[in-house]
Amino acid sequence: DTEVTQTPKHLVMGMTNKKSLKCEQHMGHRAMYWYKQKAKKPPELMFVYSYEKLSINESVPSRFSPECPNSSLLNLHLHALQPEDSALYLCASSPLTTDTQYFGPGTRLTVL
Amino acid sequence: GQQVMQIPQYQHVQEGEDFTTYCNSSTTLSNIQWYKQRPGGHPVFLIQLVKSGEVKKQKRLTFQFGEAKKNSSLHITATQTTDVGTYFCAGQSPVDYKLSFGAGTTVTVRA
Repeated sequence: DTEVTQTPKHLVMGMTNKKSLKCEQHMGHRAMYWYKQKAKKPPELMFVYSYEKLSINESVPSRFSPECPNSSLLNLHLHALQPEDSALYLCASSPLTTDTQYFGPGTRLTVL
Repeated sequence: GQQVMQIPQYQHVQEGEDFTTYCNSSTTLSNIQWYKQRPGGHPVFLIQLVKSGEVKKQKRLTFQFGEAKKNSSLHITATQTTDVGTYFCAGQSPVDYKLSFGAGTTVTVRA
């Protein structure tokens, strides 16, 4: 298996909802990442996990809560989001943090 | 912090012509990675350059990494309609290994 999968593909949520994004890879990669991408902009790093431990948090608001239950899974829990949080949320993985990153197809999130 | 500048932001190309997109980092990089993102898609890894002065080719695409490991370029020859999309460079910091993306070059092709 040589890909990163993400679910759901699309998500529409209200500002009071709680939802979760899921990312999975079975390439044995030990680094996993969450990025946020607004339209016509480059991806912006949110979180980095290395060996299932959070190693980088780019000052992301607490309404975004990452979780890495095991080496293959990465979740992003969402609560009380704002309309400006609407974006494409990309997961990526790499063998180690020093290596090439491979991106999943993303979850397109709309916050109403 | 590390910044990666990429130009041009837009490139409108006649089919069959060549073009180049350039990236410049404010600091020395560990490596530089190039990605292509089609409209409505996600970034797809193209190549990684690690060595100073490195040049790599993939068919009609030629990638270069500068001697100082602070700049890079992507040159596409004989542009085709399949080349449409946004090309991002991403420089990796040798300190914390974070990727800093350039703003991207969005390519459109006139048939």
